[in-house]
Amino acid sequence: GAGVSQSPRYKVAKRGQDVALRCDPISGHVSLFWYQQALGQGPEFLTYFQNEAQLDKSGLPSDRFFAERPEGSVSTLKIQRTQQEDSAVYLCASSGTGLYGEAFFGQGTRLTVV
Amino acid sequence: SQQGEEDPQALSIQEGENATMNCSYKTSINNLQWYRQNSGRGLVHLILIRSNEREKHSGRLRVTLDTSKKSSSLLITASRAADTASYFCAARGSSNTGKLIFGQGTTLQVKP
Repeated sequence: GAGVSQSPRYKVAKRGQDVALRCDPISGHVSLFWYQQALGQGPEFLTYFQNEAQLDKSGLPSDRFFAERPEGSVSTLKIQRTQQEDSAVYLCASSGTGLYGEAFFGQGTRLTVV
Repeated sequence: SQQGEEDPQALSIQEGENATMNCSYKTSINNLQWYRQNSGRGLVHLILIRSNEREKHSGRLRVTLDTSKKSSSLLITASRAADTASYFCAARGSSNTGKLIFGQGTTLQVKP
């Protein structure tokens, strides 16, 4: 596609529900990142994929957070047993020019846990 | 926190004036990038400066990098009302994951 696509754009979950957030990166992009952005803050790194390999998951806040990219393209961020503190915008980005190029961001998924 | 710091946190100027934002980071880097974010939207890449560069220009943007001080600045010249947005610096680490670490951001308001 022309850009990074994320779905859904908005998600309201009841506390304790599981959610799955989808990211379609730019076709052919090797690198894929997930970030969490709280209101008024900068994006916080969650995890990084190079193709299907998850090379860095040091930013995942707890074992309730899980990300996968099984075929090196589409990625899913799953949050189990959601808590109110999980409410944030979840941003996905992809990068194609080796490891160090610019990243292209999707519009994000705004998750609200009630 | 893994994030760097930016200052000022908020900046309000008149159209036509210049805006300067500063960023400090913590790790050794391959490059330093600046992004813009309009309210409720995704981030848009503005400019990238490599660790062996000291200054870079793109249109009305000028970026400097001082790796000895682990700091960077973004200058927007002749600002326009449409420049109103949040601006973030992001340090791309030199490790093999190429992790991109963002600062807290500067909110810029340009008054017409």
